[in-house]
Amino acid sequence: DAGVIQSPRHEVTEMGQEVTLRCKPISGHDYLFWYRQTMMRGLELLIYFNNNVPIDDSGMPEDRFSAKMPNASFSTLKIQPSEPRDSAVYFCASSYLTGSNPYEQYFGPGTRLTVT
Amino acid sequence: KNQVEQSPQSLIILEGKNCTLQCNYTVSPFSNLRWYKQDTGRGPVSLTIMTFSENTKSNGRYTATLDADTKQSSLHITASQLSDSASYICVVSLNDYKLSFGAGTTVTVRA
Repeated sequence: DAGVIQSPRHEVTEMGQEVTLRCKPISGHDYLFWYRQTMMRGLELLIYFNNNVPIDDSGMPEDRFSAKMPNASFSTLKIQPSEPRDSAVYFCASSYLTGSNPYEQYFGPGTRLTVT
Repeated sequence: KNQVEQSPQSLIILEGKNCTLQCNYTVSPFSNLRWYKQDTGRGPVSLTIMTFSENTKSNGRYTATLDADTKQSSLHITASQLSDSASYICVVSLNDYKLSFGAGTTVTVRA
């Protein structure tokens, strides 16, 4: 299995631009999570989906952030407009309830976002 | 205030030596407690997951303990190797899927 795939791995953009981060979960997984990691705040859950439906988006910092999951194999996290304080590493993770380790979350390699 | 506190913030050990990392949490009730290893530039990888009724769980040279009464957990690394150099993150699960993360302990193993 290829694991969770994220793209791009690195993104540098100017303040005010739209940024779209992409994630392909592990095939067969029915939960998908978006996290943000910074030195100041560590890892924070932004939003998670179950069967493509957003379940909890209370961690999304503000309206500039939006996430979608149009099908079981693809999700996007969009920031519009981007600001320098959005600079962080964004991780996607997936999980499946009926597996041998139902609580296990498998993380992707992350996207390092720099907003100048 | 963070609900998961880890100590020390960082430590340096010699290859072959043992070390213990600490985690104190205030999250209650909780579903499970996890320890993750995060190598530089990579996503976290799970080492152990314990429910509130478990006291200890091992994964190779990694052994995690949990005291639900005192709300403390520890991760013990035995016979450290250079590849153990990483950040170790304590994570408390509020439910099966909502996680509260500690800030992590950075471990550096030197030859």
